[in-house]
Amino acid sequence: AQSVTQLDSQVPVFEEAPVELRCNYSSSVSVYLFWYVQYPNQGLQLLLKYLSGSTLVKGINGFEAEFNKSQTSFHLRKPSVHISDTAEYFCAVSRGLSGGSNYKLTFGKGTLLTVNP
Amino acid sequence: DSGVTQTPKHLITATGQRVTLRCSPRSGDLSVYWYQQSLDQGLQFLIQYYNGEERAKGNILERFSAQQFPDLHSELNLSSLELGDSALYFCASSGREQFFGPGTRLTVL
Repeated sequence: AQSVTQLDSQVPVFEEAPVELRCNYSSSVSVYLFWYVQYPNQGLQLLLKYLSGSTLVKGINGFEAEFNKSQTSFHLRKPSVHISDTAEYFCAVSRGLSGGSNYKLTFGKGTLLTVNP
Repeated sequence: DSGVTQTPKHLITATGQRVTLRCSPRSGDLSVYWYQQSLDQGLQFLIQYYNGEERAKGNILERFSAQQFPDLHSELNLSSLELGDSALYFCASSGREQFFGPGTRLTVL
C-alpha cells in the first residue's frame, strides 16, 4: 500500500516570491507521482507527473517538481507565484508498472497555497 | 476541460434516500475511477471499473455500488444516505495519468 504526507496544510506567500510545497510518500513498490491543483469549487487539474525518466519534471503554469527516490520526496516548486496560483494542491501516488490496469491514486491531505499581494 | 463529464453538478437529498451519480469518461478511455472528497476524510479512492468489469475496490461502503455500461459510462449508486455521505464525488478516466471530471456535490439533509 502507498501513503502520502504533505507536510504543510497551509502555505501563505507574497506575490512574486518563490514557493515550495512538500510531499513525501511511502511505498514498497515503484510508483508514479502526481501533483493536482484544485481551485475553489472546481475539480482537480493535473499540474505535472513523474512516470519515469528525468527526475525533474515541468508542468503547467510554471510549476516543476523533483522526484527524489532516496528521500521518497516529490516537492513542488515555483520560482515566482501569482495571485491566481491561490488554490489547494494535492500530491498523489499510484502504483507504477503494475502490469495491469489499476492505477488508483492515493492522495495527501492537501496544501492550501494563499498568495497575498 | 478534461473531457470527463459528470452529472448532476449538485444534488440535495434527505437521509435514507438513494441517488445515482453519472460519469462519462474521455473518448476512448476504458477505465473509470470514483473518488470521494470530504472535509474529514480528504480524497479517497472508492472503486475502479475497466471495460465494464470491476477492477479495484477502495474504501467504499456496502451501501454504495457502481457499474460501467457497454458505452463505458459509469454510475455510482448511493443508498440509505446518511449525513456523513455529504461530499464531493469525482470520477476520473484514463490509465496511468488520470483526468478528473468536475464532480458532483452531494448534500444530505
